[in-house]
Amino acid sequence: RKEVEQDPGPFNVPEGATVAFNCTYSNSASQSFFWYRQDCRKEPKLLMSVYSSGNEDGRFTAQLNRASQYISLLIRDSKLSDSATYLCVVASDSNYQLIWGAGTKLIIKP
Amino acid sequence: GAVVSQHPSWVICKSGTSVKIECRSLDFQATTMFWYRQFPKQSLMLMATSNEGSKATYEQGVEKDKFLINHASLTLSTLTVTSAHPEDSSFYICSARELGSGRPDTQYFGPGTRLTVL
Repeated sequence: RKEVEQDPGPFNVPEGATVAFNCTYSNSASQSFFWYRQDCRKEPKLLMSVYSSGNEDGRFTAQLNRASQYISLLIRDSKLSDSATYLCVVASDSNYQLIWGAGTKLIIKP
Repeated sequence: GAVVSQHPSWVICKSGTSVKIECRSLDFQATTMFWYRQFPKQSLMLMATSNEGSKATYEQGVEKDKFLINHASLTLSTLTVTSAHPEDSSFYICSARELGSGRPDTQYFGPGTRLTVL
């Protein structure tokens, strides 16, 4: 089992739709959780950290369920510019090494 | 703030040659730098962790004699791919962890170097 697993995608959705990404992690002792966005041929960029209480940043909402070892990202009112690969990332509890999911590609269509 | 640069941004080389990639933290000091490799349609894979003034820690399966890492200062780490072969063609990304950062899980990423070995 992979340490961090994501839906393989790609997700093809129309502009304006709501899209949800799911991610599960295997290490129950993990402490920090993130969603990164990566555009083609570019470095990953931090989209948002994920907190136990859930957090929202504009159209983006992230949630963490420690009991189920599950992380989600919701994008509302999707824009063409949201097209990218979304990476779920978990930091180990000991050395804070980042463990990366394989990413889910999102394609927003006009 | 917290900008990381990489040089070169892309390189094409012949098989058997060596290529050096630089990673610099421009406006902060980095105790630790990380080197990742990403093949097409795959996620980032950590190759090694580099601490200033000490030997790098390589991940399982990464040949330390082939991927030489030097972290001589708090703002510069270099990765040298020695005797490169076509299978080494990949997107190499570095990241840096800031000295004294209250968030040890925060890494700042360089823009990446695309290596193509002919």
